[in-house]
Amino acid sequence: GQNIDQPTEMTATEGAIVQINCTYQTSGFNGLFWYQQHAGEAPTFLSYNVLDGLEEKGRFSSFLSRSKGYSYLLLKELQMKDSASYLCAVRDGNDYKLSFGAGTTVTVRA
Amino acid sequence: GAGVSQSPRYKVAKRGQDVALRCDPISGHVSLFWYQQALGQGPEFLTYFQNEAQLDKSGLPSDRFFAERPEGSVSTLKIQRTQQEDSAVYLCASSFRQGQGGELFFGEGSRLTVL
Repeated sequence: GQNIDQPTEMTATEGAIVQINCTYQTSGFNGLFWYQQHAGEAPTFLSYNVLDGLEEKGRFSSFLSRSKGYSYLLLKELQMKDSASYLCAVRDGNDYKLSFGAGTTVTVRA
Repeated sequence: GAGVSQSPRYKVAKRGQDVALRCDPISGHVSLFWYQQALGQGPEFLTYFQNEAQLDKSGLPSDRFFAERPEGSVSTLKIQRTQQEDSAVYLCASSFRQGQGGELFFGEGSRLTVL
């Protein structure tokens, strides 16, 4: 089974930086994904890490440490449209199924 | 189509009714998944198809839940004798390939409310 933990809620100011942490305990590891989900909408892919280190994509960066079972998603230069739920998901050794955390609701305030 | 399409978007059922939820994946996507998402929670895996073969149905909560993908494209999730605890958003996702880096593309979901 999977155990994926992330904070429930975070609040930040427009233009600021927010870091969303995710810890996981899985039987095997085959990649970690971050998805963004606006209320009532489909989750959309943000990032994928399978090797240790930082992956940067515009205002979003994701970091992975496999030895620590830890990842974070960094959102820079926050905009109001970044208010959403951010889902951490792990693919374990089965190579196809994603297991999701409960999501972190980020609220961006003016 | 351009994305994963699900229908109906909203379904209200009386307890005991049967419901069928449809998913039209992105053309050419081999892998198809069904997830259940309760309010305020992350998606929970239900079942996985590779083409028409259902390779994993370990997440289906009971034998009232049944999924099929007979021609390897459109899939239907059927729930028989619905119960209140079945109320959730049912998300369908597809992927071009399995394995590393195979990101999932999600539909907007079918929100089921059982009264």
